[in-house]
This record gives sequence, structure tokens and C-alpha cells, in this order.
Amino acid sequence: EAGVAQSPRYKIIEKRQSVAFWCNPISGHATLYWYQQILGQGPKLLIQFQNNGVVDDSQLPKDRFSAERLKGVDSTLKIQPAKLEDSAVYLCASKRTGNTGELFFGEGSRLTVL
Amino acid sequence: AQSVTQPDIHITVSEGASLELRCNYSYGATPYLFWYVQSPGQGLQLLLKYFSGDTLVQGIKGFEAEFKRSQSSFNLRKPSVHWSDAAEYFCAVVSNQAGTALIFGKGTTLSVSS
Repeated sequence: EAGVAQSPRYKIIEKRQSVAFWCNPISGHATLYWYQQILGQGPKLLIQFQNNGVVDDSQLPKDRFSAERLKGVDSTLKIQPAKLEDSAVYLCASKRTGNTGELFFGEGSRLTVL
Repeated sequence: AQSVTQPDIHITVSEGASLELRCNYSYGATPYLFWYVQSPGQGLQLLLKYFSGDTLVQGIKGFEAEFKRSQSSFNLRKPSVHWSDAAEYFCAVVSNQAGTALIFGKGTTLSVSS
């Protein structure tokens, strides 16, 4: 089966600009996650969707970050305006309902904010 | 709140030698524990998981891990390391918050010397 697709793979922007990342999960996976991985650290959850509903967005900086999964399949993560500290790899992962902890990750989108 | 600690930031092992990567967790009940591997330029991949039962679990690529409740540990082991095992390894625990997301440690980078 096809894996989790993410784009773009790399993005360089200046601070205060905006950026959007796209994720297409594995077909049939109802749960979708966005993680932020800063260099030298483990992935940190930003938001979790179950179908098109938000399950947990407690760690999403809502003043600048937003995410949606309108049709319960693809998802978009947006940052506006970007700060220097947003430089990171943004990982999308999906999971089949019931398979606790067994996440399938995309290759990530690397963001550099100058 | 749950947390995962990986005490070793970087480990170097000779090819063919044995490997042990340490992981300690903080959790009030029996945790769901995982090890993931991240190879350069690739997404995170599940190596193995522990939910309950036998405390020694087998994973892919010849890895195993042992759950020790008395030590709050879930160390990853491999009897003989191959050069292709060079990667970053993350220990993770399932969150007990509203969602079922993973909480990751900071990771251990494994280098393999010839």
C-alpha cells in the first residue's frame, strides 16, 4: 500500500511569511497526526484528527498555527506568520482505528525560517 | 504527565557488537511502549511495541526490548549490529490524554563503526 505522502519536502521562508504543508495519509486510516520535530529533539504532537474532527490540539500554537482535515482524508497545516523558532521538520502520521501507537509516518516537510 | 527519557544522546558501536539503548518512562499505570527508528531522509518506522504480557518483545530487523516495571525501563537491544542500523532511535509512550498520540523521547543517535 502507498505510504503517507507529504509535500513540500523542503521550504525556506523569511520570518513573518506564511507556509502550508500538505499530507495525504494511508487509505483507510481514520486518525491523522501532525508532529513538529526540532533538530536534536523527539517529535512533539501538534494536533490529532479522527476523521475530520479534532481530538487533541492542546499543543498547537493557535495564534499562528492552524490545521484542517475537511473531508477526513487529506490535511493541511499552516503557519502564519512564521517565526525563527518554527524551523523544524513537520511530520504527518496516520493510524488505522484501533491499532494503538502503530503510527505510519511520512518523510516530513523541512521548514527553514530565515 | 507521562514522559520518556533516553539518557544517551549518541552511541557508537562496532559492527558485529551488541547494542543496548536505554529508555525510562514516567507513567502511573501500565504503559503502552514503543521503539521507532528514523533513518536519514526517511520517516519514522515502528520497530516493536509492548502492551502487556511477556516482558520481552521481539521486533523487526532483529531488535528486541525488555519491559522492566521495577526500573521503569524499556531498553532496546540487538545482539549483533549491522552498519545499516546506524540511525536515530526513539522510545515512545502512548499519551493518556484525550487522544492516543505518542509522546517521544529525545532520541539516541546510533553510529556504527567498522
